[in-house]
Amino acid sequence: AQSVTQLDSHVSVSEGTPVLLRCNYSSSYSPSLFWYVQHPNKGLQLLLKYTSAATLVKGINGFEAEFKKSETSFHLTKPSAHMSDAAEYFCVVSFSGGYNKLIFGAGTRLAVHP
Amino acid sequence: DGGITQSPKYLFRKEGQNVTLSCEQNLNHDAMYWYRQDPGQGLRLIYYSQIVNDFQKGDIAEGYSVSREKKESFPLTVTSAQKNPTAFYLCASRRPGQRVSGNTIYFGEGSWLTVV
Repeated sequence: AQSVTQLDSHVSVSEGTPVLLRCNYSSSYSPSLFWYVQHPNKGLQLLLKYTSAATLVKGINGFEAEFKKSETSFHLTKPSAHMSDAAEYFCVVSFSGGYNKLIFGAGTRLAVHP
Repeated sequence: DGGITQSPKYLFRKEGQNVTLSCEQNLNHDAMYWYRQDPGQGLRLIYYSQIVNDFQKGDIAEGYSVSREKKESFPLTVTSAQKNPTAFYLCASRRPGQRVSGNTIYFGEGSWLTVV
């Protein structure tokens, strides 16, 4: 069965320090992977996506993620956190062999402190 | 600018009442989706539609209904049969001609539904 697990429900960092949000997936098929960000009471905005090209994917606002097939992971990173990065982040998986839907992780809430 | 418009932003439902959430997109997308979001949980799929006049149940379709009479519009009705409708509802759409794998889904700003 396909699934996605975000390993941390909450992450707290200081402004200017690195960010790491962890995501693992389980799939029998070749996945496509996405990271979305959601600010309070807003819709989801795409940060970046992996679709079987380069394993290191760069997104908006300085975020990047690395697809590691051997570890079935797609962790999101940023070298230096900004106050505006405080939001909810969702790891999302879709499958080439699956029917037409996405699998969402439960989300990670990122807090950034001055 | 192209995008997805959801309305209303906030809606209150009385017990036993049906309410309808609007979703309109001008992106020329074929596929449209409705998701429900509860605190501390990821999004769960209610219904989706790949083309006009066709739609499929998602994982939590009970107590909900949809229609897809026009490409641009995919309204969601929350019926009185939905016993716990208080949640944040998100509409989404996807570019035409491709399966969801590898293809970006775009989201509206969401609608809050509260039972009073």
